[in-house]
Formats: sequence, structure tokens, C-alpha cells
Amino acid sequence: EVELVESGGGLVQPGGSLRLSCAASGFSFSSHWMAWVRQAPGKGPEWVANIGDGGARKNYLDSVKGRFTISRDNVNNAQYLEMSSLRVEDTAVYYCARVGTGRSLWALDVWGQGTTVVVSS
Amino acid sequence: DIQVTQSPSSLSASVGDRVTVTCRASQNIGIYLAWYQQKPGRAPKALIYAASSLLSGVPSRFSGSGSGTDFTLTISNLQPEDFATYYCQQTSSTPRTFGQGTRVEIK
Repeated sequence: EVELVESGGGLVQPGGSLRLSCAASGFSFSSHWMAWVRQAPGKGPEWVANIGDGGARKNYLDSVKGRFTISRDNVNNAQYLEMSSLRVEDTAVYYCARVGTGRSLWALDVWGQGTTVVVSS
Repeated sequence: DIQVTQSPSSLSASVGDRVTVTCRASQNIGIYLAWYQQKPGRAPKALIYAASSLLSGVPSRFSGSGSGTDFTLTISNLQPEDFATYYCQQTSSTPRTFGQGTRVEIK
């Protein structure tokens, strides 16, 4: 069964740091781009970042550039989101998502259950 | 950045109805559009990619159409489990922006 499981969320003060992890199973992890998507309370999803299958290519939402770093470990089938200088507006459920290959044209075809990040003093 | 505008923001419908949701992109995105369904407290679930291709396991009452800047999600014969919020996402360029969502409610 294809599965993505996030962890690492929690309560952090503004200016603080947090590292999110996503464990993947049931598919060839190294063959897929991966992404992080967040959803603030009562809002729609917001794409945050993605990373190429080899880990070299990365793209970020402008508002997180320089603060967030996406990475992956193809040996252990995991991806990460290192978040620093956190702001109140970063409060959201963070989802790990798999980018489909080939004809999927970059659709996010598998999603994890999400991990909650709350930035508050 | 490419802006994506969905309409309506919400609609009420009955079981068995045909429902249409539209999505408009601020520039030509070809067929680089996906649709997702989200139920309260759950992660989004992919329904359609490349504007009109159904993901495996998605019921055939869901269909997508369009290209360029204007797209449509249609649900034929609405079922009780279809009451949810639907989002489109442009996958043409980063940031891969989502629409604001359309909540489909029971009439």
C-alpha cells in the first residue's frame, strides 16, 4: 500500500525552528518528485515546496524562501522540511505529497495525513 | 505567479444532481490542471490530472474538461459521499497555486 506519514509538528514560538519528516512506503520513492503543501485553519491548500527525484532540484514558495529547506533521503525513503524563523502565519497543517510521474503533469497523486504546526507565543 | 480562480465558492445540491465547478487560470496553462476533493479533517484526495484524466479508483461520475485558461469539474449523479470541498490546482509552473475551493453542500 502506498503511504506517506508525516511527523514533527508541534507548538513553537515565533522565530523558532521545526523539522518535519515524511516517511514513504509502498512505491519507488526515488522515482518521484515530492512536495510539501500546507493548509492554514479554514483556508485552502497552499503549495510550499517541491524537490526533484534526485534531490538536487528544489522550488519554494516566495514567502518561505530562505527560511524553509526541503530535502530528501532516497536510501531511507523520507523527505524533510526544515523550517526556521517561523512566523505566526506559518501556522497550518503541513502535508507531504507525492508528485505523479509522466502523464500526471505534476499532479499530487498521494497525500499524507498531515502534521500540525502552530506558531504562537 | 499564476492565479487560479474557482467559482462558485459554494453550492447546494441534492443527491442525483449534476454539479459543475469552474476554474480559471490567469494565463494559459494548457492542460496542466488537477482537481482534488477534501472532506473535513482529512487530507485532499486527487481526482483528476491533466485536466481530464481520472486517477485510478475515482468513480466515472467525476469528469474534467478544459484547456488554456478555463476548466470545469463535473459531478454527474451526485452521491452522498461527494459532499465535500473541491480544489483545482495549476501544475504548469511554480508556485503551483490552488483555487480557493468550492464547497458542495446538501440541499
